[in-house]
Amino acid sequence: KAGVTQTPRYLIKTRGQQVTLSCSPISGHRSVSWYQQTPGQGLQFLFEYFSETQRNKGNFPGRFSGRQFSNSRSEMNVSTLELGDSALYLCASSLVGTSGQETQYFGPGTRLLVL
Amino acid sequence: DAKTTQPNSMESNEEEPVHLPCNHSTISGTDYIHWYRQLPSQGPEYVIHGLTSNVNNRMASLAIAEDRKSSTLILHRATLRDAAVYYCILRPYSNSNSGYALNFGKGTSLLVTP
Repeated sequence: KAGVTQTPRYLIKTRGQQVTLSCSPISGHRSVSWYQQTPGQGLQFLFEYFSETQRNKGNFPGRFSGRQFSNSRSEMNVSTLELGDSALYLCASSLVGTSGQETQYFGPGTRLLVL
Repeated sequence: DAKTTQPNSMESNEEEPVHLPCNHSTISGTDYIHWYRQLPSQGPEYVIHGLTSNVNNRMASLAIAEDRKSSTLILHRATLRDAAVYYCILRPYSNSNSGYALNFGKGTSLLVTP
């Protein structure tokens, strides 16, 4: 099976612009989560989508949003970019079970640089 | 969420066993202990998880203290490829569709030297 894929892998934007990142989960996985990783804050949970609905949300401003399509692919959008949004954005997918202990499979990430 | 405490860094020689500790003194009875690791320039990857009993898989072993207030990830024979940041994460059991978010802490940066 192909792993989680993220596009683009690298991106350079300027302050005030917006950006859309894409994630394709492993085939059959219905849950997609997004994380932000920075040297200062480490890995932080952004949000999770399941069946096109946001099921969980981390503590990020409303400039960060996402959506999930019927084929489970997901996109996240950041509007009005700030310098502090420079980070590695990671997507993870998982099967949905009933124990909450499913393994999350991570993609390689999109590295965003805001100038 | 219950908190975990890990050393910032550890060093090991190649082909030696490595014991990575994690303290979780406020763990609840339904919290599972998960370990993920992140190799340089890659996304995190799952290593192992357990509840009460020790667990083994092809990557590592997980030893859980009897009182569950601490656990140890054991790499039986470290290789250079095992150099990574290792995260110990608690996940509550859930029998409802309540979602899935991993609360990564700072983790332990493992250096493996030849």
